[in-house]
Amino acid sequence: IAGITQAPTSQILAAGRRMTLRCTQDMRHNAMYWYRQDLGLGLRLIHYSNTAGTTGKGEVPDGYSVSRANTDDFPLTLASAVPSQTSVYFCASSLEGTDPLYGYTFGSGTRLTVV
Amino acid sequence: AQSVTQLGSHVSVSEGALVLLRCNYSSSVPPYLFWYVQYPNQGLQLLLKYTTGATLVKGINGFEAEFKKSETSFHLTKPSAHMSDAAEYFCAVSQAGTALIFGKGTTLSVSS
Repeated sequence: IAGITQAPTSQILAAGRRMTLRCTQDMRHNAMYWYRQDLGLGLRLIHYSNTAGTTGKGEVPDGYSVSRANTDDFPLTLASAVPSQTSVYFCASSLEGTDPLYGYTFGSGTRLTVV
Repeated sequence: AQSVTQLGSHVSVSEGALVLLRCNYSSSVPPYLFWYVQYPNQGLQLLLKYTTGATLVKGINGFEAEFKKSETSFHLTKPSAHMSDAAEYFCAVSQAGTALIFGKGTTLSVSS
């Protein structure tokens, strides 16, 4: 079934540890996004990529990094986790990042708890 | 800069009653507007979108929304609520070249 796969589904992480959240899509979408969802704050954009080889910063990029080596994969890395990064992380993709006519497809999310 | 305001973080209705979820946006150029729904422990699903053309947009599950430029609004409605409509709803705005900006969400509760 075409869509987005996120891994892991949940994780408890010690503060200071490094963690990579994985995101893979099989729809050949050009654009991919990482959002974090926090109660009362909705979804906030962390990083995005309009095409393989390019990335950009969103609203809340500090403490996070991304790479886009190919079309299908868009991993999100927390270099040194802090408790404020406890959140639910959603990966999304769209056919063309520069044309919002196309809706986003979302993954099922990764629930991360930093202790 | 674009922004989205959803009035009411929590809306409660009875089964069969009208559903009205409010969304106002701020954008310096004609916006593209979206409504997404999120069921518990799931990702977001697109309900409907407005890009150009007809200002009344119909979506899935009987929902519709009307783009009102003069009011900078894109309210979501459904004539008759079902128990299965209980979820969190997000309004989002975008324009060419930018990622979606989401509102803070409205939780819809439906009672029998």
